[in-house]
Amino acid sequence: QVQLVESGGGVVQPGRSLRLSCAASGFTFRTYAVHWVRQAPGKGLEWVAVISYDGNIKYYTDSVKGRFSISRDNSRNTLYLEMNSLRTDDTSVYYCARTPAGRGAFDLWGQGTLVTVSS
Amino acid sequence: DIQMTQSPSSLSASVGDRVTITCQASQDISTDLNWYQQEPGKAPKLLIYDASNLQTGVPSRFRGSGSGTDFTFTISSLQPEDVGTYYCQQYEDLYTFGQGTKLEIK
Repeated sequence: QVQLVESGGGVVQPGRSLRLSCAASGFTFRTYAVHWVRQAPGKGLEWVAVISYDGNIKYYTDSVKGRFSISRDNSRNTLYLEMNSLRTDDTSVYYCARTPAGRGAFDLWGQGTLVTVSS
Repeated sequence: DIQMTQSPSSLSASVGDRVTITCQASQDISTDLNWYQQEPGKAPKLLIYDASNLQTGVPSRFRGSGSGTDFTFTISSLQPEDVGTYYCQQYEDLYTFGQGTKLEIK
């Protein structure tokens, strides 16, 4: 069925790195922009990063610029988020989500993966 | 950066009530505004896109309106399954969510 499935979350010490993955199925992944959106425990939603359908355009929220890197492999229908220099305030559930071409609505979300940054 | 301000931050209403949530943008975003519902422990779900368009499969009791800086989300007759937190989101300049409105049943 049409779905996004995140993986790679876990507990990591401050300053360390982690890579998240998001596997897409049931739709033509290469035609959608895809995003990472996070939610700290008990808090609201925060958009993190986006990558265009072909991987050529990337944008980040200011708090992760220079530390996080978004990428995709359209041959594997997979989205990635490489997170470096992790901080305690990066602790969140990380969701991947897609936006159809030319539109700004997140119409499909994954179930999320929890990243906990703690010593 | 565009800031999105929702109100109220929480509300409690009875089944069958009409519920209204507002969202204000810090600058003109035309109709580049979407609404989501997030049930406890679940991922968000798109309800309304481009300010007033109902996403496929979403019940017609949900309605969105507005343009520019002021937007309104309405549930015409509250149902028990509508509990959760509602978020507005702009995409005129990258992406920003409102802080959320937690909806409970009395």
